[in-house]
Amino acid sequence: KQEVTQIPAALSVPEGENLVLNCSFTDSAIYNLQWFRQDPGKGLTSLLLIQSSQREQTSGRLNASLDKSSGRSTLYIAASQPGDSATYLCAVPPGNSGGSNYKLTFGKGTLLTVNP
Amino acid sequence: NAGVTQTPKFQVLKTGQSMTLQCAQDMNHNSMYWYRQDPGMGLRLIYYSASEGTTDKGEVPNGYNVSRLNKREFSLRLESAAPSQTSVYFCASRGVGTSNQPQHFGDGTRLSIL
Repeated sequence: KQEVTQIPAALSVPEGENLVLNCSFTDSAIYNLQWFRQDPGKGLTSLLLIQSSQREQTSGRLNASLDKSSGRSTLYIAASQPGDSATYLCAVPPGNSGGSNYKLTFGKGTLLTVNP
Repeated sequence: NAGVTQTPKFQVLKTGQSMTLQCAQDMNHNSMYWYRQDPGMGLRLIYYSASEGTTDKGEVPNGYNVSRLNKREFSLRLESAAPSQTSVYFCASRGVGTSNQPQHFGDGTRLSIL
């Protein structure tokens, strides 16, 4: 059974700092890896999706990397801002997810606080 | 841009009452999902529907039933609510095609069972 772990559980940084969030998974046979953001009382917003054949994806100040062989992904946030404060979750579907078998296993998330 | 819409946003039930949570998406997605989110447990899949007319159990299906009413709508029913079902429920949808299709989530239904 796939298990997804996110470290640290919580992180507090001053505004402007670059930071890295970590995600590890036990079964390297994944279809892709998705990073989400969740604001308090809200649903999940997809940030980045890395296909299993890719090494990284970038969107603005966000960069996500994937190392399937070691079962790890990182989310790098450059020049953090107070508006980045949220919970960040990673999730993976199993490797045989083509078509009807696409089901995500989530980590428990990292609560990020960026202090002004 | 409605995306995934869940109703109601909040609900309080008494033990033993029944309730249906509604979910609708306007993105013409084939697949739809129901998750629950609990402190310390993260998000767990309850049921999913890979396409209209099909439904399958996820990780925690006991105590729930689902109906894929049409391509747009996927409902979750609690037949006899229990306090252990107090949670935040999220509906999600996903298009088919290439492997770079993300899941899109609604804002959730916060359900308390007394």
